Amino acid sequence: DAGITQSPRHKVTETGTPVTLRCHQTENHRYMYWYRQDPGHGLRLIHYSYGVKDTDKGEVSDGYSVSRSKTEDFLLTLESATSSQTSVYFCAISLSRDNQPQHFGDGTRLSIL
Amino acid sequence: GESVGLHLPTLSVQEGDNSIINCAYSNSASDYFIWYKQESGKGPQFIIDIRSNMDKRQGQRVTVLLNKTVKHLSLQIAATQPGDSAVYFCAENIGGAQKLVFGQGTRLTINP
Repeated sequence: DAGITQSPRHKVTETGTPVTLRCHQTENHRYMYWYRQDPGHGLRLIHYSYGVKDTDKGEVSDGYSVSRSKTEDFLLTLESATSSQTSVYFCAISLSRDNQPQHFGDGTRLSIL
Repeated sequence: GESVGLHLPTLSVQEGDNSIINCAYSNSASDYFIWYKQESGKGPQFIIDIRSNMDKRQGQRVTVLLNKTVKHLSLQIAATQPGDSAVYFCAENIGGAQKLVFGQGTRLTINP
């Protein structure tokens, strides 16, 4: 398994509360990604990072922010969670941008009531 | 927008038979494709990849075929085993920084 740890693995929270998910890697890979997985939509890219403090938006970035202050950590924040953000969130890493596979963590299941 | 799709949402095969999972893509500029396997409660696991300058690539018990003329990708699993039961996704790289677009997935079930 790629050295990727997501925390927490499960979380239940209420609408309107802030939520932060953490992705930690031990591979020293430059690229990190956050996806959400929903039935009928597959995996969709939220945000990605191409280095410390360098991030960009993906396909479904509204309502999410990210930060990367260290190579090994990539944080995903829901500033004010909504029920539509109930999903399974996956972090991925890749060594480079050129034809290298992304490797995924085991996900965080987030329920917003 | 353009997206990756799959022909069949489910596939059921006999143990020991070969499995073929298909994927259609629509972006002719895509230059890199990946197959992932996802088991329940886990993240997608890399199986095999192929670049657009190749037609075929083989791994251990798996082969990926790429037909750029008809924008079709397939994953062949030889001698399917119970441990192959999972959802399989294809993904294409349609831009810089590896912005992968995933298909909906095919569930592979193995009959004893």
